Amino acid sequence: DVKVTQSSRYLVKRTGEKVFLECVQDMDHENMFWYRQDPGLGLRLIYFSYDVKMKEKGDIPEGYSVSREKKERFSLILESASTNQTSMYLCASSLYRTGGKENGYTFGSGTRLTVV
Amino acid sequence: RKEVEQDPGPFNVPEGATVAFNCTYSNSASQSFFWYRQDCRKEPKLLMSVYSSGNEDGRFTAQLNRASQYISLLIRDSKLSDSATYLCVVRPSGVYGGSQGNLIFGKGTKLSVKP
Repeated sequence: DVKVTQSSRYLVKRTGEKVFLECVQDMDHENMFWYRQDPGLGLRLIYFSYDVKMKEKGDIPEGYSVSREKKERFSLILESASTNQTSMYLCASSLYRTGGKENGYTFGSGTRLTVV
Repeated sequence: RKEVEQDPGPFNVPEGATVAFNCTYSNSASQSFFWYRQDCRKEPKLLMSVYSSGNEDGRFTAQLNRASQYISLLIRDSKLSDSATYLCVVRPSGVYGGSQGNLIFGKGTKLSVKP
């Protein structure tokens, strides 16, 4: 089974702190994604990456940056944490479609971040 | 029109009931379709892909109507353990790579199965 591992399950940070959320996948997937999920708003895409050192903005990139120095690792950075960034953060990875089968995304277990 | 729309529910049903979820999508060129399940405070997990001919996995049946841009999920003989939020997911194009290939997630329909 593909494993997507997020470094922390719960995190509490202070306003203004720089926050790093780490995500590692072990199946050599090209594509990696960062989402946040809030009640009533569903999953919202923050950033994604299709290759090492490549990144693209999603729907809500403001206040975030990302880093992908190695294929298996995709980091989300909150440059200066604010209370409105309190949320559940979910990392996902996927493989390009192969053999006609579409596999969807595999998600990590999430990091619940609280900014106080 | 939102890209993927679902009734948010909640659907409250007794054990053993049959329950149907519906989903509509706006992009007629959409290529791939899925249902994901998300338990409370957990990550979404792939439940099943949805194929044009319809497909079944045990008590779960998924159907696609391309003409109406409509996807459904039927759960028969519902169990307490089926309580979760069900997310309808669409890939809006046949392009893999680049933002056009990203999956679009509905906000989910919450199901609560009661004894």
